[in-house]
Amino acid sequence: AQKITQTQPGMFVQEKEAVTLDCTYDTSDQSYGLFWYKQPSSGEMIFLIYQGSYDEQNATEGRYSLNFQKARKSANLVISASQLGDSAMYFCAMTVPNNNAGNMLTFGGGTRLMVKP
Amino acid sequence: AAGVIQSPRHLIKEKRETATLKCYPIPRHDTVYWYQQGPGQDPQFLISFYEKMQSDKGSIPDRFSAQQFSDYHSELNMSSLELGDSALYFCASSPTGTAGLAGVSEQFFGPGTRLTVL
Repeated sequence: AQKITQTQPGMFVQEKEAVTLDCTYDTSDQSYGLFWYKQPSSGEMIFLIYQGSYDEQNATEGRYSLNFQKARKSANLVISASQLGDSAMYFCAMTVPNNNAGNMLTFGGGTRLMVKP
Repeated sequence: AAGVIQSPRHLIKEKRETATLKCYPIPRHDTVYWYQQGPGQDPQFLISFYEKMQSDKGSIPDRFSAQQFSDYHSELNMSSLELGDSALYFCASSPTGTAGLAGVSEQFFGPGTRLTVL
């Protein structure tokens, strides 16, 4: 079974500064995928970034980057140049390949990020 | 770009009633997932379908059933609704054939259906 831990229930960051949201995971599988999603107060779940366990380079999508440290089993999300619109709940999630083509996601408890003007 | 469509967006039901939630995946996505997110909780996996067959099952109550149709849309049927079923229900879809070395494809979520049981 997989487990995701997000140890920061809430965080503040000053607008235009960078922020790191922590995520550690536990799995015995060698093949797995790690995801970050953003959930604003409106409720939708927005895909941000993905890292595969065999990807040698850290994933990057615009202002989002994933600091993947495989030996430490961590997949921290770094948001550069925070904007007020970044205020939201952020979920880290993981999945492992399923021979039946079902890759259910296991989520962490989330981190609520609040960006201060 | 087309996204996952869910309907209805909001639904209010009484206890013991039934509800049907619909999900239309992104075109050419053949895998559909259902998740339930209670208030202040992280999403919990319910069930998934690949090519119209159930592929995985999570913590889905026996009162719930789901299926995927020939056009790949999916429906989640919920009967004998309880107060505790009040939640945000997400559908997500992913394509096969795009998995990287890890064998995992990205999952894209719909806007969710907010179900309130009174």
